[in-house]
Amino acid sequence: QKEVEQNSGPLSVPEGAIASLNCTYSDRGSQSFFWYRQYSGKSPELIMFIYSNGDKEDGRFTAQLNKASQYVSLLIRDSQPSDSATYLCAVRGSGGYNKLIFGAGTRLAVHP
Amino acid sequence: DTGVSQDPRHKITKRGQNVTFRCDPISEHNRLYWYRQTLGQGPEFLTYFQNEAQLEKSRLLSDRFSAERPKGSFSTLEIQRTEQGDSAMYLCASSLSDEQFFGPGTRLTVL
Repeated sequence: QKEVEQNSGPLSVPEGAIASLNCTYSDRGSQSFFWYRQYSGKSPELIMFIYSNGDKEDGRFTAQLNKASQYVSLLIRDSQPSDSATYLCAVRGSGGYNKLIFGAGTRLAVHP
Repeated sequence: DTGVSQDPRHKITKRGQNVTFRCDPISEHNRLYWYRQTLGQGPEFLTYFQNEAQLEKSRLLSDRFSAERPKGSFSTLEIQRTEQGDSAMYLCASSLSDEQFFGPGTRLTVL
């Protein structure tokens, strides 16, 4: 079992729709959860982080965390073609220092 | 530009050669990380510095890899006797707390 799992996609949504990206993790002691956006050929860009159960909203993005189910998600409202990218879920585990464990990413395609 | 910078951005080398990459973190960040990313995968942790101390190193990292952060500012990552399997994007990130910010990466191609 991988430590952080994501559906590789592609997830295709029409412009203006809500895109829902999901991630599960195996380390029950994980404390911090991050979403990064990565355009093709570029480096990851931090877009959201969440530490507590529940929802956290930032503009068109909402991160949701359920520690009991070991599940974290990212919702993108009013999706735009410029949101087309790979979205990486990352988890800071309970062991070691501050290293992040990444999923393989979900590719999102927003079509006009 | 006050973000993380990396140099070079691209490196092509022949198998068996040594290569060195540099990372300059965001100036006030005392934590620095190296990751490696291959196509279709997420970044994979290599090593972590807090100030000048190397506090964690991936067990997957072979002895051919070494990293330094001599004065707690910039860091270098050296790969000795490169192999074709070392071809990847090498990413540096820095942080002051939990949130890590990535540099543009160095893309290494080993022929």
